[in-house]
Amino acid sequence: AQSVTQLDSQVPVFEEAPVELRCNYSSSVSVYLFWYVQYPNQGLQLLLKYLSGSTLVESINGFEAEFNKSQTSFHLRKPSVHISDTAEYFCAATNTGFQKLVFGTGTRLLVSP
Amino acid sequence: GAVVSQHPSRVICKSGTSVKIECRSLDFQATTMFWYRQFPKKSLMLMATSNEGSKATYEQGVEKDKFLINHASLTLSTLTVTSAHPEDSSFYICSANPVTSGRQETQYFGPGTRLLVL
Repeated sequence: AQSVTQLDSQVPVFEEAPVELRCNYSSSVSVYLFWYVQYPNQGLQLLLKYLSGSTLVESINGFEAEFNKSQTSFHLRKPSVHISDTAEYFCAATNTGFQKLVFGTGTRLLVSP
Repeated sequence: GAVVSQHPSRVICKSGTSVKIECRSLDFQATTMFWYRQFPKKSLMLMATSNEGSKATYEQGVEKDKFLINHASLTLSTLTVTSAHPEDSSFYICSANPVTSGRQETQYFGPGTRLLVL
């Protein structure tokens, strides 16, 4: 069965510092990968996704993630975070059939001044 | 594009009553919608897959008679929590897959509905 692991439940960083949120997946078949962000008391917003093609994908607000098949990882990075990036980040995966989206347990990014 | 709405955003009800939550895809059609439940500081748990024109597919451990799902059209799915109890209090989130040229892509999520059962 497919699973997604986010090892860090919480990542505290200072404003303007770089950050990496880790995500590993396990799948025996081709996989599509996603990062979602959830602000307090809100639903999930798609941050970025990997479906095919270039293994490096970027979001409009400076985040990027790289699909690494050999390491079965899809880590999320940002070179310089803002206070407004404080939120819960979920990594998710689905197979090519898009039947079920499997979520990791989430990582809370806490950006302080 | 790809906006999903939910109504209501918050609802408080008495134990024993039923509550209906609507999920709408506003600018696309979706043959499949998903219902999730999120506990405080926890990840999302898939409850069921809602298929337009057919019965929903429930995940193991989810009571289909308690959580009634109706996918009446390509833009609307409803979740009814029947005979709600305090343990049903939670954040319910729906999502939908746009169907583009016959290929399903990313799930887009609604803003969620906070249910509090007293």
